[in-house]
Amino acid sequence: QSGLTQPASVSGSPGQSITISCTGSRSDLGAYDFVSWYQHHPGKAPKVLISDVSNRPSGVSDRFSGSKSGNTASLTISGLQTEDEAVYYCSSYSSSATLDVLFGGGTKLTVL
Amino acid sequence: QVHLQESGPGLVKPSQTLSLTCNVSGGSINNGAYYWSWIRQRPGKGLEWIGYINYSGITYDNPLVKSRATMSIATSKNQFSLTLTSVTAADTAVYYCARLTWNSHVFDFWGQGALVTVSS
Repeated sequence: QSGLTQPASVSGSPGQSITISCTGSRSDLGAYDFVSWYQHHPGKAPKVLISDVSNRPSGVSDRFSGSKSGNTASLTISGLQTEDEAVYYCSSYSSSATLDVLFGGGTKLTVL
Repeated sequence: QVHLQESGPGLVKPSQTLSLTCNVSGGSINNGAYYWSWIRQRPGKGLEWIGYINYSGITYDNPLVKSRATMSIATSKNQFSLTLTSVTAADTAVYYCARLTWNSHVFDFWGQGALVTVSS
């Protein structure tokens, strides 16, 4: 099953910034701005951090920001905190013949 | 604040049917701005979109489960459901229900998830 490509893991120290990439194709990320990012702590419900490439829902810290260039979207977390340690997923609408929604494989963020 | 809660058996035998219901509170399910969604996470894997349904019963689903999955919606009860037939161990997963806001294609509210194990 095709999906979006994310690095399996990233790490950073408290206070640092990290960026997680999410690569798709011309039929999803490259064609639409329906890109969202989710934070998932084990055993909890995923939480939306970013919608429409760069919009932060109410209540989401401004330490989280999103962007997109071509077929690649990015999530940047600044001022890393220990509670940011989680798995992060990107998602995009797709106009492929088979799937409406694509998820990335998830990126495990470790805060050292 | 919208709240979603999955319910259903935690254990299903192989070849049988998995049935889950999602109860929605804090907002009406009878709203054309949203699609009501099912997403799963198999052990050690990432999130996998199963499908979604809107208030009028229009569905979109993942071809990987299309022939086995049926989604339904009960607006009078403010709930929607998923049935998955002929399950195998590969269907063992945490199943999440979620609300998708159509014009942003974002899953903005999620349930806590329901672990379903397929085993004899």
